[in-house]
Amino acid sequence: DTGVSQDPRHKITKRGQNVTFRCDPISEHNRLYWYRQTLGQGPEFLTYFQNEAQLEKSRLLSDRFSAERPKGSFSTLEIQRTEQGDSAMYLCASSLEGIRTYEQYFGPGTRLTVT
Amino acid sequence: AQSVSQHNHHVILSEAASLELGCNYSYGGTVNLFWYVQYPGQHLQLLLKYFSGDPLVKGIKGFEAEFIKSKFSFNLRKPSVQWSDTAEYFCAVSGGSYIPTFGRGTSLIVHP
Repeated sequence: DTGVSQDPRHKITKRGQNVTFRCDPISEHNRLYWYRQTLGQGPEFLTYFQNEAQLEKSRLLSDRFSAERPKGSFSTLEIQRTEQGDSAMYLCASSLEGIRTYEQYFGPGTRLTVT
Repeated sequence: AQSVSQHNHHVILSEAASLELGCNYSYGGTVNLFWYVQYPGQHLQLLLKYFSGDPLVKGIKGFEAEFIKSKFSFNLRKPSVQWSDTAEYFCAVSGGSYIPTFGRGTSLIVHP
């Protein structure tokens, strides 16, 4: 399967712990996006990369959130000192820069529960 | 800032009924409009999009949407729904960056 993959699919952590999620985009896609989705809401954009450059990060929710894409392939999203309000589904998507930039392919998400 | 409002949060229909899901947006520039769908247990996927040209756009599985600029609307329609259309539907708007702002979604249940 060459779709977007995310790992882990579920994560339960205690408040105050750090967590890291991984996203592997479709191999030829150079854009990678992170979203958060809470219950009853649509996905909320967090940040995106074009290759290894993080082009938009002002919408990360706080300075506890950070993302990397060191070699322009997979990406990680880290949340430090987790809070119960961080419980949500974290979605990754990728697209190919060009005439089909708009066509984002989403992964299955990582469901985070903070206890 | 751009925003999207979806009026119907839950819709229940019988098979063969017609569907219209409302979507209104707020954005100051040239808009790109999208409908995404998430079937149970599946990933979010693009259903259809509008960038320019014919305001009536057709997507997959018999869905269509009409862009009415004067009403800031982009309603989704299907003349006859099927049980397999049961899903969550999200309207989204973006500018030139193609980073969408999503509405909160409409849950559609179609009874056979």
